Amino acid sequence: GNSVTQMEGPVTLSEEAFLTINCTYTATGYPSLFWYVQYPGEGLQLLLKATKADDKGSNKGFEATYRKETTSFHLEKGSVQVSDSAVYFCALGASNTGKLIFGQGTTLQVKP
Amino acid sequence: KAGVTQTPRYLIKTRGQQVTLSCSPISGHRSVSWYQQTPGQGLQFLFEYFSETQRNKGNFPGRFSGRQFSNSRSEMNVSTLELGDSALYLCASKDGEQANNEQFFGPGTRLTVL
Repeated sequence: GNSVTQMEGPVTLSEEAFLTINCTYTATGYPSLFWYVQYPGEGLQLLLKATKADDKGSNKGFEATYRKETTSFHLEKGSVQVSDSAVYFCALGASNTGKLIFGQGTTLQVKP
Repeated sequence: KAGVTQTPRYLIKTRGQQVTLSCSPISGHRSVSWYQQTPGQGLQFLFEYFSETQRNKGNFPGRFSGRQFSNSRSEMNVSTLELGDSALYLCASKDGEQANNEQFFGPGTRLTVL
């Protein structure tokens, strides 16, 4: 079945450091891929998405490219801020449904 | 537009009781999905409703059920509560039927079972 695997956290970085959070997936068909972010005490917010191979999603300085050949969707940001501290979830959208399959989540802590 | 709202935000119940959680989607959205979030299992899909019909179901026991009303509002019910049902329950709504449409999440209902 479909699944998503994320790198384990927590990830601790200094402000302005480069961020990479790895995400790989297993899926049949052509799923859409998403990154969601969850701040403490809140629900999930969509950070970015990609709907087909080689698509690059980007938002607020974050980027991820849908790589079908390596079944990956790694999240990157060139310079993190303290305000980026949150839990990040990689997710896969099954075809023609509202069902999302999530990775385990990666906690990011950015120190000043 | 108002976002997805969930009520109540916090709930404390005891084992064996039942509970009903409510979700109001964004106006115009016809798809509502429910997820359970726990530290051990992460985010797991419970079910999805679209136009009052259950369209998808996750791997949860029959104690977990849901429904959707004609105004797209949805409720989920958990009967015979167990300690392991303690979790954050998230509701999400989206417009349309395509998988690449964004799902908008509510703030969740924190259920504690004692």
